[in-house]
Amino acid sequence: GQSLEQPSEVTAVEGAIVQINCTYQTSGFYGLSWYQQHDGGAPTFLSYNGLDGLEETGRFSSFLSRSDSYGYLLLQELQMKDSASYFCAVKGGKLIFGQGTELSVKP
Amino acid sequence: DTEVTQTPKHLVMGMTNKKSLKCEQHMGHRAMYWYKQKAKKPPELMFVYSYEKLSINESVPSRFSPECPNSSLLNLHLHALQPEDSALYLCASSSRTGDEQYFGPGTRLTVT
Repeated sequence: GQSLEQPSEVTAVEGAIVQINCTYQTSGFYGLSWYQQHDGGAPTFLSYNGLDGLEETGRFSSFLSRSDSYGYLLLQELQMKDSASYFCAVKGGKLIFGQGTELSVKP
Repeated sequence: DTEVTQTPKHLVMGMTNKKSLKCEQHMGHRAMYWYKQKAKKPPELMFVYSYEKLSINESVPSRFSPECPNSSLLNLHLHALQPEDSALYLCASSSRTGDEQYFGPGTRLTVT
């Protein structure tokens, strides 16, 4: 079977750094993606890790360890607009989404 | 143009109605997807089209019928739906299956 685990909720304050972890068990793994979804909006692609290591895109970074079946999304200098749901997704023959982490950024 | 458009934005239909959801992309993507999403849940894959051919049907009930008239368009035909089918229906596209997906804004469907 295929499964992904991520925390259901995370709360942080503006300006802080937050890390959202994702562990997975899948067959046919090709990489780990992260998507952001604001309330009432559509998911938008944030980052992709096909190989081990860190990928940085502005305030967001994503990390993958294939040997540990583990990845994380790191959000720095948090802003109120970062309040959203964040999904990790495993790329195989199709995308399998985790259950999502609801991030609340407080002033 | 990096946009996926979907119409209508909202749809209310009775259980005996027939309606269609439409999706369009002009990014030259050859893979298109339909997802269903309930509140506070991840998108749930329904169908995948690759090069205009249905490649994945995730055991979706036959009251949902997808159609890909050409490489830019994707339809989802709805018939005899149930109240539990009320959800946000998302269309997405990618260069190839498995690549980064671009999602449309979705159609909020309510079945009464």
